[in-house]
Amino acid sequence: GDSVTQMEGPVTLSEEAFLTINCTYTATGYPSLFWYVQYPGEGLQLLLKATKADDKGSNKGFEATYRKETTSFHLEKGSVQVSDSAVYFCALRNNNDMRFGAGTRLTVKP
Amino acid sequence: SQTIHQWPATLVQPVGSPLSLECTVEGTSNPNLYWYRQAAGRGLQLLFYSVGIGQISSEVPQNLSASRPQDRQFILSSKKLLLSDSGFYLCAWRGGLGLADTQYFGPGTRLTVL
Repeated sequence: GDSVTQMEGPVTLSEEAFLTINCTYTATGYPSLFWYVQYPGEGLQLLLKATKADDKGSNKGFEATYRKETTSFHLEKGSVQVSDSAVYFCALRNNNDMRFGAGTRLTVKP
Repeated sequence: SQTIHQWPATLVQPVGSPLSLECTVEGTSNPNLYWYRQAAGRGLQLLFYSVGIGQISSEVPQNLSASRPQDRQFILSSKKLLLSDSGFYLCAWRGGLGLADTQYFGPGTRLTVL
């Protein structure tokens, strides 16, 4: 079945550092891909998404490009802030089926 | 715009007690609705989903059940809670045309079973 694998955390960075959180997927057909963010004590919020190959999703300085050739959707940000500390989930939707990665906890230190 | 509500926000219950968590969605009709559980430090586990009133699909066997008495209401229940039911419960919806591609989550209910 379809699945999402993302890099294990936790990830700890200093403020203004470059962030990459790797995400790869396994799916038949042409899934849509998502990144969600969960701040402490809250539900998941959609961060960005891409619906077809080579699409780039972007929001709040975060970016991810749908790479069908490598089945990847890595999350990047050029300069992280303390307020970016959260858990990040990669997800895919294929027809009516939605799959989430295990989540990666990011801590940004001042 | 669409809004999703969950209550209560937090709940502490003794083992063996019943449970009822409620989720409602505003601003959309005939959404697909989902219940997820997130155990401490872990990812999301899909528990139930519903494509319409009275239609419930269960993803994992457990002592929980779900019901959808109205189009925009989704209830998670248990007759007798177990310690292992502790976790963060998230309701989500997925809409129709133009919104069908994405799930949107509620604020969650943190359940502690003692």
